[in-house]
Amino acid sequence: DAKTTQPNSMESNEEEPVHLPCNHSTISGTDYIHWYRQLPSQGPEYVIHGLTSNVNNRMASLAIAEDRKSSTLILHRATLRDAAVYYCILRDVQGGSEKLVFGKGTKLTVNP
Amino acid sequence: DAGITQSPRHKVTETGTPVTLRCHQTENHRYMYWYRQDPGHGLRLIHYSYGVKDTDKGEVSDGYSVSRSKTEDFLLTLESATSSQTSVYFCAISFGNGTGGFNQPQHFGDGTRLSIL
Repeated sequence: DAKTTQPNSMESNEEEPVHLPCNHSTISGTDYIHWYRQLPSQGPEYVIHGLTSNVNNRMASLAIAEDRKSSTLILHRATLRDAAVYYCILRDVQGGSEKLVFGKGTKLTVNP
Repeated sequence: DAGITQSPRHKVTETGTPVTLRCHQTENHRYMYWYRQDPGHGLRLIHYSYGVKDTDKGEVSDGYSVSRSKTEDFLLTLESATSSQTSVYFCAISFGNGTGGFNQPQHFGDGTRLSIL
């Protein structure tokens, strides 16, 4: 499997920045790094994805290391609605079959 | 909103009965996916489709079949439901100008909670 490693949990205070790390040392050259989040009782929600360069959108920023073996999802000002499980995901290809490998993710708690 | 609807949202059924879950999209995306989510396992791919009548197996396809007779609908069937198939099922579609694949972002439905007694 295309493996990613994330901390099990992190905690932040409201309106402070949050940096969620992810290690993916086995990433291949053509694979994007995807981030999703999942709120309780909801389906996963796409957050951001990138290949080599840092990426920004209205939800977050993605900082990708130069060697692509790690990345960091940045929430610039955490809100209570950002409390969720955040998944860092790679595409896995084995024997011609593809899939996205969802690990256990990082559970983010945001304190008021 | 990517216009993806799953039905039913909740279902309780008995072991041995067939069950069909429906995923409907309004965005004309080529790729559609079925996942299941269980405690301790995260999301796992069951089957996916890359076009009308074009489907392929995921990592946990045993006991499931799928059909896609038109672009907007992707059906997941449990041929003879077992208690081990009690789970939350998510449908997803790929973004990306009608193209897709696993390097494209996916948009997920709200899920179907299925209980098999």
